Parts: sequence; C-alpha cells; structure tokens
Amino acid sequence: DQQVKQNSPSLSVQEGRISILNCDYTNSMFDYFLWYKKYPAEGPTFLISISSIKDKNEDGRFTVFLNKSAKHLSLHIVPSQPGDSAVYFCAATAPGNQFYFGTGTSLTVIP
Amino acid sequence: ETGVTQTPRHLVMGMTNKKSLKCEQHLGHNAMYWYKQSAKKPLELMFVYSLEERVENNSVPSRFSPECPNSSHLFLHLHTLQPEDSALYLCASSQDTGGLTEAFFGQGTRLTVV
Repeated sequence: DQQVKQNSPSLSVQEGRISILNCDYTNSMFDYFLWYKKYPAEGPTFLISISSIKDKNEDGRFTVFLNKSAKHLSLHIVPSQPGDSAVYFCAATAPGNQFYFGTGTSLTVIP
Repeated sequence: ETGVTQTPRHLVMGMTNKKSLKCEQHLGHNAMYWYKQSAKKPLELMFVYSLEERVENNSVPSRFSPECPNSSHLFLHLHTLQPEDSALYLCASSQDTGGLTEAFFGQGTRLTVV
C-alpha cells in the first residue's frame, strides 16, 4: 500500500509560468514532508521541506504548501525555468521511520 | 556534491557474478539507506541502518546482502542476480531515521544484469 502518492506522472508548463506539483499521503503520523528533484542518471537532491506544524514554507522560487486535513501537499515553482525540467519526488516521514516516496512527476518547462 | 558518494556509477554483471556496491558519507550521519529505483515505480526502500545496526529489511531477496562496517560506509553485496534486478541503486544518509531531517542521496549505481 503506497502511503505517498503523486497522481500526475508528468506536467508541462511554459517558461515563466507557475508549475504546481501535487502529492497526497495517507498516514496521519507523518510529520515531515520533503520534495526532491532528480535529473536523469543522478540521485535525487533535496529541494525543500515542511514540518507538520506549518502550512507553508518558501525558498526563493519554490514554495511548499501543506493541507493536513486533506493530507495533501503541493510544490509551487514560480517563475518556472527550463532548468527546472526534472522529475520531482514527494516524500514523507515520521520519527523513527523510513522515508516514503511517491512515484514522481516529470516536469517539462517549455522555453 | 551531496556528501554521499557511490561507486561504481555503472555496473554490468552476469547472473553468476558476485559484485559489491559501495557507499560512503562524511556528513556525520547516523542512518544510511539503500533504495532501488526501477522505471515508473516509486523509490523502493531495501535496507536501513541506524548506528551501524540494520533496523529495516524490506523483504529483499537474499541475493542482496548489505553490510555496514562503520557509520560512514555501506555496502550492498550482489550475487546470482536476475535481469529484473537491473535498476538504479541509490544510497542515502540522514542524521537519524525519520523525524525533521533530510535524506541526502548519492549519484546512484546503474546496474545492468545480463
């Protein structure tokens, strides 16, 4: 049973516009959520995170929103740039637990 | 450079071979992980080590054998693999298991079993 789900396998966005990547989770014990970015043939790199006591965390062009009641989080990238084209993984964790990852969303930013 | 180094980057092995993947971290982290990434599947956790003790084994076949000799090194010993074991194998480390901490990944080893 997959505890973290990314239902959109791919997303295409025009350069300069907003990219919104979505993630849903099922385990109410999760208290820390992360987004990773992955280029082909490389390992995932940490992008941004949010703890369950917050509903928003911003870092430059990247903002993560957390809706605990809906068990949903999203990553907003604005403005989107061609270099943002990659696969984005959502992950969640709880104290003493492993990291649970979604299947990823492949983002293509069109110049 | 994430501080987690994996070698080799690419490996081709026959089904009767024995090989080992190596992972090294100098971040002072207490937890290390092996993940498998196959096409169109989520990252699959294979093993978790915390303070050099194995704390999780996610029903991984015995043809995969992990070893954690110290907190900075993690190995994955491979023997009699199958073609379906071909995948990207990722090592990661984190300060502790779970909680308010990020996992840092290595570049991965692209394994092809022929």
